[in-house]
Amino acid sequence: AQSVDQPDAHVTLSEGASLELRCSYSYSAAPYLFWYVQYPGQSLQFLLKYITGDTVVKGTKGFEAEFRKSNSSFNLKKSPAHWSDSAKYFCALDRDIASSSFSKLVFGQGTSLSVVP
Amino acid sequence: EAAVTQSPRNKVTVTGGNVTLSCRQTNSHNYMYWYRQDTGHGLRLIHYSYGAGNLQIGDVPDGYKATRTTQEDFFLLLELASPSQTSLYFCASSETGGGNTLYFGAGTRLSVL
Repeated sequence: AQSVDQPDAHVTLSEGASLELRCSYSYSAAPYLFWYVQYPGQSLQFLLKYITGDTVVKGTKGFEAEFRKSNSSFNLKKSPAHWSDSAKYFCALDRDIASSSFSKLVFGQGTSLSVVP
Repeated sequence: EAAVTQSPRNKVTVTGGNVTLSCRQTNSHNYMYWYRQDTGHGLRLIHYSYGAGNLQIGDVPDGYKATRTTQEDFFLLLELASPSQTSLYFCASSETGGGNTLYFGAGTRLSVL
């Protein structure tokens, strides 16, 4: 079965530090992978996605993510972190690409990031 | 930027009550989705649709019906609400299907007492 795991429910960083949020997935075919961000009281916003090609993808707000097939990971990175990056981050897998035209995302549990001054 | 509007933003009902959550998108997207967000589960897909009259069953459909009346409007119906349906509900749309960005509404917080 397809699944996404974000093992860190909460991460706290000092402003200026480097952030890396972990995401691992389980999927038998080539994955389409996404990161979305949810700021407090707001809806989810798209950050970046990996479809194919370069394993390091850049997104909005200075974020990037690295796809590693070897260990089925898609970790989100940013340096330096800013207090405004405090939010909940969701990793997602788009399944059934070959058989369906829909974006049937499977989401991880989310990681709440706090960046403190 | 795609616009997805959900209403109401907050709803309280009692067990056994009837609830309709509304979603409208104004960017002519064909694909629309209903998700629920619960702590520890992330977002889970309830129902989805491609165009008016089309309905597909998601991963957690029990207790929910959906109806897509127009390309713009997608409704989620809870005909006999239960406390287990207390959740934050998000509607989303996308221009095309697989691999494309989803645009989410602001969410509806539903409490079933």
